[in-house]
Amino acid sequence: AQSVTQLDSHVSVSEGTPVLLRCNYSSSYSPSLFWYVQHPNKGLQLLLKYTSAATLVKGINGFEAEFKKSETSFHLTKPSAHMSDAAEYFCVVSDFSGGYNKLIFGAGTRLAVHP
Amino acid sequence: EAQVTQNPRYLITVTGKKLTVTCSQNMNHEYMSWYRQDPGLGLRQIYYSMNVEVTDKGDVPEGYKVSRKEKRNFPLILESPSPNQTSLYFCASSLKWGTDTQYFGPGTRLTVL
Repeated sequence: AQSVTQLDSHVSVSEGTPVLLRCNYSSSYSPSLFWYVQHPNKGLQLLLKYTSAATLVKGINGFEAEFKKSETSFHLTKPSAHMSDAAEYFCVVSDFSGGYNKLIFGAGTRLAVHP
Repeated sequence: EAQVTQNPRYLITVTGKKLTVTCSQNMNHEYMSWYRQDPGLGLRQIYYSMNVEVTDKGDVPEGYKVSRKEKRNFPLILESPSPNQTSLYFCASSLKWGTDTQYFGPGTRLTVL
């Protein structure tokens, strides 16, 4: 069965410093992986997705993630944090068992950005 | 504007009083699903629908019902709500099942007293 582990429940950075949100997945076959962001009192927005094309995936707002099969990781990075990046981030794997598409969510990482 | 809408956005109710949360999408998507979000647990799937009149249980279906009579609508029904169903609920849709991106509604915050 697919599973996702987000290694940090909270991450705090200063504005202008790099962001690293860590995600490990478990999958019995080549997965599709996603990062979603949820701003306070808002719905979920897709940041980026990996579907077995390039291993380095660029998303919106300067975020990118690298798929590393050998490490079963899909960490999210951004070179320079902005105050508006403060939100909760979810790493997600797509599960095709049973013949349908179900998203398996990690528990989330709350990113705080300080001035 | 392409979107998924949910109503109501906020609801406070009492144990046992039947309620329905509506979900509608205007993107002609085949696949729709409901999730609940609880602190520390991420989002968990309640029910999904691969097309009209085709629905099935997700990971946490107990206490919920759904229907898919039209392609655009996928209401979530709580016949007899209980306090453990207090949660944030999201409806999502995608063009079809598979690797397609799922688009999420704005969420419905439900409190059952």
